[in-house]
Amino acid sequence: SQQGEEDPQALSIQEGENATMNCSYKTSINNLQWYRQNSGRGLVHLILIRSNEREKHSGRLRVTLDTSKKSSSLLITASRAADTASYFCATAPNRDDKIIFGKGTRLHILP
Amino acid sequence: EAQVTQNPRYLITVTGKKLTVTCSQNMNHEYMSWYRQDPGLGLRQIYYSMNVEVTDKGDVPEGYKVSRKEKRNFPLILESPSPNQTSLYFCASSLAGIHEQYFGPGTRLTVT
Repeated sequence: SQQGEEDPQALSIQEGENATMNCSYKTSINNLQWYRQNSGRGLVHLILIRSNEREKHSGRLRVTLDTSKKSSSLLITASRAADTASYFCATAPNRDDKIIFGKGTRLHILP
Repeated sequence: EAQVTQNPRYLITVTGKKLTVTCSQNMNHEYMSWYRQDPGLGLRQIYYSMNVEVTDKGDVPEGYKVSRKEKRNFPLILESPSPNQTSLYFCASSLAGIHEQYFGPGTRLTVT
């Protein structure tokens, strides 16, 4: 079952603009994580936000979590060409040891 | 260097011929997992292991087997591969399931 669902499926923006991606999930969670994948390569962990946190920053990344709406957003500020990749959210449901990934958002940064 | 390795990276095989994809991590992680990635479906967890001799089914375990005899290794076994198992496979490890995962480079499997 797919718990995390990213939105939009694809996003194209100009270099320098901000990119926002959203993730919705269905069950209560321990934490939510965001990953980046460059074309067919292994995923790279970006940031983890715990269920009792509302916002977290890491460099140009800002993640928010709204557990009442079961949603999270990833904001990438001042986008660069190197940010072109697919972005996935992953959730670790409570009382479960599975990790559930969404289908991802394909981000394309235009020069 | 901390890493997760997978072998082989590419494999073309025929229906029914048993194969094993190896996965090894050097970070002393307890949690290891296998995923498959298909276009439009994202990553789906096949099996995971909380520790040595402890394995459990993910969302798509049919047609796969795993074992965890040593902490560092978590091989994925396809006893009788079928064309619908053609996919990109990733192994990952973490301190525990709820922590950040480190991914291997992937194994692209084609079953004809």
